[in-house]
Amino acid sequence: DADVTQTPRNRITKTGKRIMLECSQTKGHDRMYWYRQDPGLGLRLIYYSFDVKDINKGEISDGYSVSRQAQAKFSLSLESAIPNQTALYFCATSDPVGNYGYTFGSGTRLTVV
Amino acid sequence: EDKVVQSPLSLVVHEGDTVTLNCSYEVTNFRSLLWYKQEKKAPTFLFMLTSSGIEKKSGRLSSILDKKELFSILNITATQTGDSAVYLCAGRFNTDKLIFGTGTRLQVFP
Repeated sequence: DADVTQTPRNRITKTGKRIMLECSQTKGHDRMYWYRQDPGLGLRLIYYSFDVKDINKGEISDGYSVSRQAQAKFSLSLESAIPNQTALYFCATSDPVGNYGYTFGSGTRLTVV
Repeated sequence: EDKVVQSPLSLVVHEGDTVTLNCSYEVTNFRSLLWYKQEKKAPTFLFMLTSSGIEKKSGRLSSILDKKELFSILNITATQTGDSAVYLCAGRFNTDKLIFGTGTRLQVFP
């Protein structure tokens, strides 16, 4: 099994729909992150969580919400999807000391039509 | 404003060539600089650099950081087609957040 698992792998949804992207990790790390990747813009931080009771906004949190259901689970929701949220979404986790960078999931390709 | 800038945006070379990828950064409370390789989907970790002037090496890949000039380079020698990917540079700041550059797309042809 992958260290960081994201579901679904691909999703097409309509404008205005609510959608949830799920992430689970088996690394045992407290720190988890959601990024989106757009062509030419790199990866940008949406939300991050340093433990189950800690949720923080990143640089582009508008239109998104998150839930940290357990140490291993961190989900991202789009309350009312819009076309400019079409992107590749990555979940990641990092070790407490930060010696090994982030471990990323395989990504969710979301298309909002 | 914190930012990480990578150059060139893309690079096309032939197998056996040596390439140098560049990364400059302006990051408040800088802690370290990381390099990732992204092939199909998930970025995979290559190096983390915290100290100036100390080269990190892994096979044909090497990287070094210059904290005075706020700059890092990633070198790949004797390139192979399997090196074709997007290479991402990221600055770590404050607690544990990363700010990424837009990446350099490397294409290696036989």
